Amino acid sequence: DQQVKQNSPSLSVQEGRISILNCDYTNSMFDYFLWYKKYPAEGPTFLISISSIKDKNEDGRFTVFLNKSAKHLSLHIVPSQPGDSAVYFCAASGHYTGANSKLTFGKGITLSVRP
Amino acid sequence: KAGVTQTPRYLIKTRGQQVTLSCSPISGHRSVSWYQQTPGQGLQFLFEYFSETQRNKGNFPGRFSGRQFSNSRSEMNVSTLELGDSALYLCASSPSDLSGGIQYFGAGTRLSVL
Repeated sequence: DQQVKQNSPSLSVQEGRISILNCDYTNSMFDYFLWYKKYPAEGPTFLISISSIKDKNEDGRFTVFLNKSAKHLSLHIVPSQPGDSAVYFCAASGHYTGANSKLTFGKGITLSVRP
Repeated sequence: KAGVTQTPRYLIKTRGQQVTLSCSPISGHRSVSWYQQTPGQGLQFLFEYFSETQRNKGNFPGRFSGRQFSNSRSEMNVSTLELGDSALYLCASSPSDLSGGIQYFGAGTRLSVL
């Protein structure tokens, strides 16, 4: 049972345009949603997160939107840069003691930003 | 501040052997989590240790075990290796339960089982 789903395996966008990465979840008990970025031969790097009590969080070029009724979140990257090309993972954590140290990941989406 | 360090970076083992992977968390971080990444299953949670105690466990067989030392360093052991255990094993640390799920990952150990 996949609780966090990233249904598109890849996305290609032109440099300077917006990248929109989508993620769906099934467990309404998740407390935090996070996006991680991964380059080959490196571990995932934390990018941005959002609490379940908010619907938007912004950090520079990155904005995450949360729609709890639809159990859907998205990551917007504006403007997209070639250095953003990587695999992006959506992840979620629960609210019980120690739950923040157990992340449930989607399978990732490969973003390619064309110069 | 040094990041999460995992050793070794690469390992080649044969079926039936056992393996031990090591993880040094960021200084001051008390929680260490382990994940397995495979092409088919993605990133899956193995277990989490906090103050030398296993606090969370994922859906993996008992061949997968771990421990944490008083200095927060952690080891993961896989016994009786199977071909399907070939994967990237990632360790992550977090400073506290108030970190909102933010974890800091090491570069991983690539295990190949022949």
